[in-house]
Amino acid sequence: QVQLAESGGGVVQPGMSLRLSCAGSGFTFSSYTMHWVRQAPGKGLEWLAAISHEGSLTYHADSVKGRFTISRDNSKNTLYMDMNNLTPEDTAIYYCAREPYTFVFYYYMTLWGNGTTVTVSS
Amino acid sequence: EIVLTQSPGTLSLSPGDRATLSCGASQTIGNNYLAWYQQKPGQAPRLLIYASYRRATGIPERFGGSGSGTDFSLTISRLEPEDFAVYYCQHHSNSHPAFGQGTKVEI
Repeated sequence: QVQLAESGGGVVQPGMSLRLSCAGSGFTFSSYTMHWVRQAPGKGLEWLAAISHEGSLTYHADSVKGRFTISRDNSKNTLYMDMNNLTPEDTAIYYCAREPYTFVFYYYMTLWGNGTTVTVSS
Repeated sequence: EIVLTQSPGTLSLSPGDRATLSCGASQTIGNNYLAWYQQKPGQAPRLLIYASYRRATGIPERFGGSGSGTDFSLTISRLEPEDFAVYYCQHHSNSHPAFGQGTKVEI
């Protein structure tokens, strides 16, 4: 079954760091561009970052650039988001998502995980 | 940075009605690379339309996309009960894709 499963969310204090993971299964993970998108409580979707299939190209939204870093380990079929210096405004559901076709950036997403919740609170 | 503005914020309709949702861009979207997603409470988004008018796999024909340049629309020809949800547009024209703020279609 083709699917994505996020993990690593939780409750953290402001200023702390967190690493999110996204495990892909049922498809050739190493062939697809991947993204992270978040959704604050009761708010809309916010694109955060994208990474090429082999990991050499990354793009980050200005809102998180310098604090968040997308990466991947294709040997483990896993996507990561390292998040530093978290603030309450980072409280959200974090989704990983896959593009529709292999090897090339299309910048839209056809496969989504169920999300993992990050709460930043003292 | 392309900013997308969706209107209206909320659309109150009945099953069987036609729904028209709008998405305006702050600058021309290259190749008309504009997508639409549907999101229901507690669920991840689902892709409906990409490249302005192309339906994603498995999406019913009642969902249609149109537009070009800076003005785009999603039309649902006859609302089914399962179509009441929040809809987001998203440009996919460059390395910094962005979403609109969403339109809620409610009964």
